[in-house]
Amino acid sequence: NAGVMQNPRHLVRRRGQEARLRCSPMKGHSHVYWYRQLPEEGLKFMVYLQKENIIDESGMPKERFSAEFPKEGPSILRIQQVVRGDSAAYFCASSPIPTSGDGVGTQYFGPGTRLTVL
Amino acid sequence: GQQLNQSPQSMFIQEGEDVSMNCTSSSIFNTWLWYKQDPGEGPVLLIALYKAGELTSNGRLTAQFGITRKDSFLNISASIPSDVGIYFCAGSNYGQNFVFGPGTRLSVLP
Repeated sequence: NAGVMQNPRHLVRRRGQEARLRCSPMKGHSHVYWYRQLPEEGLKFMVYLQKENIIDESGMPKERFSAEFPKEGPSILRIQQVVRGDSAAYFCASSPIPTSGDGVGTQYFGPGTRLTVL
Repeated sequence: GQQLNQSPQSMFIQEGEDVSMNCTSSSIFNTWLWYKQDPGEGPVLLIALYKAGELTSNGRLTAQFGITRKDSFLNISASIPSDVGIYFCAGSNYGQNFVFGPGTRLSVLP
């Protein structure tokens, strides 16, 4: 059973370009979460999505950042017009349906995408 | 908003020693999770706790869900060099609203 997959693992962008980060959840998981981590810091929640639905985006900046989880395909975190301050590791996690019993409330993380903005 | 505190922030121990770290919250959670993160990698789930008072082991690791539902601790027995890393606690309610602590950085000296 493959784990959470993220790509690319490393992404370099120049200021003003767009960054697209992809996340494929674990098989059978329908909930995806995105987090941001700066060096030497903890994980900061950004957004929580179900298929075709944004459940909670309270941690995501209002401008330049967007996320989607389409019916088919991976979840995408999109950062437009990147700035140096966007440089960080971005982690995706997935969980089973919250009411499904075993594993409820448990998240599994991908390996992350490390974004560097030059 | 909800916040988790972890203590200690960092610790240096000798190989073979036991380790204890804890996590406290200002609000109640119905699930507590402990993760370990190695440099350059994503957090790996170590132990998940679903009931107040629950004590769960995973090899040399033992974690407990506090009876007030506002705290949890993680113990590591007989530490080895590969235990080095950052340990994060996280709380959630019904699979939503995951909140992470700032982490405890563990260093193991040979």
